Amino acid sequence: LAKTTQPISMDSYEGQEVNITCSHNNIATNDYITWYQQFPSQGPRFIIQGYKTKVTNEVASLFIPADRKSSTLSLPRVSLSDTAVYYCLVGDYLRAAGNKLTFGGGTRVLVKP
Amino acid sequence: DVKVTQSSRYLVKRTGEKVFLECVQDMDHENMFWYRQDPGLGLRLIYFSYDVKMKEKGDIPEGYSVSREKKERFSLILESASTNQTSMYLCASSLVHGRGYTFGSGTRLTVV
Repeated sequence: LAKTTQPISMDSYEGQEVNITCSHNNIATNDYITWYQQFPSQGPRFIIQGYKTKVTNEVASLFIPADRKSSTLSLPRVSLSDTAVYYCLVGDYLRAAGNKLTFGGGTRVLVKP
Repeated sequence: DVKVTQSSRYLVKRTGEKVFLECVQDMDHENMFWYRQDPGLGLRLIYFSYDVKMKEKGDIPEGYSVSREKKERFSLILESASTNQTSMYLCASSLVHGRGYTFGSGTRLTVV
């Protein structure tokens, strides 16, 4: 499984855009990039997943350059409720026998009023 | 929405007790997982199962065992609880070719 590196923490203010970049230099051809969000005392929640270029949903956007060695999660106009830990994961989800994920330390995002 | 339900939110057990943590999912997912989460260590995979009666060790299986007799239920067993097993335990499930995991709300286990 490709190892990921992301910042330990980031501070932002309400209404700003937050961009979290994750490095995954050893990403394999079949690997997808997935981001999860975790609030205190809750399990992680799937936010977005992509393979290349750009993916957007109602919550976030995911930018992946052509070499796929990094990716950036973009949270538009954050609110206080976006304060959470965000995890970047890389893995091959097409393998049949247990597509297990390895979580890194995540990025703790604090949104201030 | 897929639901992953963990039987207890908080649990306090004594050292040496046998502890069962239960997890049930309602969307016919093939894969199920048990993680523990500790401050500064992130989420670490204990065991996972990709089919009924099938199991594989994760990164930290020592002191734990699992049981999957039915597709929807995955149990984590602490054979003889110890204080270093005090942690938040998270269960998750996914499809074989799934895009992501669905996690339960977690069980905070304290071993005294």
